[in-house]
Amino acid sequence: QVQLQESGPGLVKPSGTLSLTCAVSGGSISSSNWWSWVRQPPGKGLEWIGEIYHGGSTNYNPSLKSRVTISVDKSKNQFSLKLSSVTAADTAVYYCARGLSGLAVAGTFYYMDVWGKGTTVTVSS
Amino acid sequence: QSVLTQPPSASGTPGQRVTISCSGSSSNIGSNTVNWYQQFPGTAPKLLIYSNNQRPSGVPDRFSGSKSGTSASLAISGLQSEDEADYYCAAWDDSLTGRVVFGGGTKLTVL
Repeated sequence: QVQLQESGPGLVKPSGTLSLTCAVSGGSISSSNWWSWVRQPPGKGLEWIGEIYHGGSTNYNPSLKSRVTISVDKSKNQFSLKLSSVTAADTAVYYCARGLSGLAVAGTFYYMDVWGKGTTVTVSS
Repeated sequence: QSVLTQPPSASGTPGQRVTISCSGSSSNIGSNTVNWYQQFPGTAPKLLIYSNNQRPSGVPDRFSGSKSGTSASLAISGLQSEDEADYYCAAWDDSLTGRVVFGGGTKLTVL
């Protein structure tokens, strides 16, 4: 049973860089999955940040692409998120998730079937 | 403003059938499959329906999904009090470089 656990500072100063790590247990990060980050501002909906494959390929939300870096550390079975130049608008609960994707007759399928519990990050001085 | 459009709220009484709609475009729902997530307050989202109408193991068959053109629906039959939660639709979007897009979420209240 794959489990994910986010970790990182709960408070980041404006203009600083948010850094989070997601530890994967019960399975290998080198499996045929994408590894995603999703965030949820207080009282609002979900926003996909981006994803990485164990080989290093990444996809980012175009609205955040200029500030986001997602990396993978296969030796530690974990992946990480860095979001630069943060503002109060980046205050949110950040989730990591396992993504399954592929091409079917009905089109591209992409869903996240395992999620971490989430970690709250507040941007404030 | 979310890429996929959902009603902000829905409600029903125990035992009733409730549907939640999700509207998109040709670059997302129109060409790719739809997923639904259930989220209780203070907890992580949970995959409820994937690939339009597939239920992960453990999800009751009271939950069902469908898709037609650029819209999708989540139906909950035999509504129970424990179904009160937020529901989000999501799909892959082929525009730009590709991305996952979500609906704004629907808060389901069991009266």
